[in-house]
Formats: sequence, structure tokens, C-alpha cells
Amino acid sequence: QVQVVESGGGVVQPGRSLSLSCAATGFNFSNFAMHWVRQVPGKGLDWVAVISHLGTEKYFGDSVKGRFSISRDNSKNMVFLQMNNLSADDSGLYFCVKEVRIYGVGSWFGPWGQGTLVIVSS
Amino acid sequence: IQMTQSPSSVSASVGDRVTITCRASRDINDWLAWYQQVPGQAPKLLISAASTPQSGVPSRFSGSGAGTSFTLTIDSLQPEDFATYFCQQGYNFPLTFGPGTRVEIK
Repeated sequence: QVQVVESGGGVVQPGRSLSLSCAATGFNFSNFAMHWVRQVPGKGLDWVAVISHLGTEKYFGDSVKGRFSISRDNSKNMVFLQMNNLSADDSGLYFCVKEVRIYGVGSWFGPWGQGTLVIVSS
Repeated sequence: IQMTQSPSSVSASVGDRVTITCRASRDINDWLAWYQQVPGQAPKLLISAASTPQSGVPSRFSGSGAGTSFTLTIDSLQPEDFATYFCQQGYNFPLTFGPGTRVEIK
């Protein structure tokens, strides 16, 4: 069964960096794009980034473009989100999610992990 | 692409029919998904391509629409359906979500 487990969240000061990781199991990881989506608890969903199945295509949300980067290691079934120059607006629960369409790079996603919480505060 | 949803919340009783509307700021064909988020849980994909239910989704959930206007209908609301529902466009980047519709118990 498909499972994704996020890690790396924590409390970080504004302007600093943080790296999130996601370990995936239960599917052929190298065939699927992976997304990051964030949510302030109790609020809406904000799509952050996607990386294609081979890592050749990467797209970002407008609010994180130029500050965040995404990468993957298909040999380890892992995807990473490097977040730089963080601000309070980046606080939230960060979900790693599998693209539904095989070889697709952006449509819809699931199933979702439980997320890792990022708090940006001085 | 901006996504809007109406209503923002709805109070309903078990057995009621609930309809949620999602609108896109431009034509997205059928590149639309619906997610359900039960309080305290991660979202769950219910419907993709505007009207295709995911495996295991109860038949009381249905989606329709194309272009800029879409609906999610829940026939005969069940206790486990009280949740927040989000639409999301998959037409182009950046992918965007609607603000959500909270379905509450009357």
C-alpha cells in the first residue's frame, strides 16, 4: 500500500533555512512525480512544488519561487524540499504527496501523508 | 488560475443531499479534482478529471462540470461525510485550490 512519511519539520527563525524529507513506499517511486503541499492548520491548501518522475521537470508555487528547491533520489525512494529565506508566511503543515498519473507531472495527488510541521518564528 | 467555492459552509442533516460549487477563473476543461478533509486528518482525493471517483469512494459522491463551473454532490449525507471539501485545478502551474467548503452537522 502506498505510504509517504514526511520529516524534517521544526521551529526555525525568519531568514533561515530548513530541509524537509519524504520517504515513499508501496509503489514504483521512479514512475511518479511527487508534490509538496502545505496547510496552515485549520486553513486552506497551498500547492508548493512538484518534481517529475525522473527529476527533469520542476515547478513551484508563486510564493516560494526562487527560495525553495525540490529534488529526489530514486535509488532511495525519497524526495526533498529545501526551503531558504523562510518567513512566518511559510509556517504550516507540509505534506508530501504522490502524483496520481503515472509519468504525469501535474494534475492531482494522493494518498497524503500526515505531514511535518514547520514553524517560522523568532 | 483562481478557484472559488460556494458556499463556504453548509449545515446539513444525515440523509440530506449536499451540492458544492467550484468555479475557475478560466477554462480548465475537466482538469479538476475534489478532496475531502476530515478534521485532524490529511486530505483525501475523492474525484479526479471532474467526474471520475477514486477507487473505494462511496457512490453517493459524484462530480460534474467542465470549463469553469463544477459541482460536487453528496447524496444521502452520512455521519463520516462531515468534513471540509476542496476543489483543485490541475490544468496548469501553479496548481491552485479552492478555499474549501465546510459541511457541518445541523
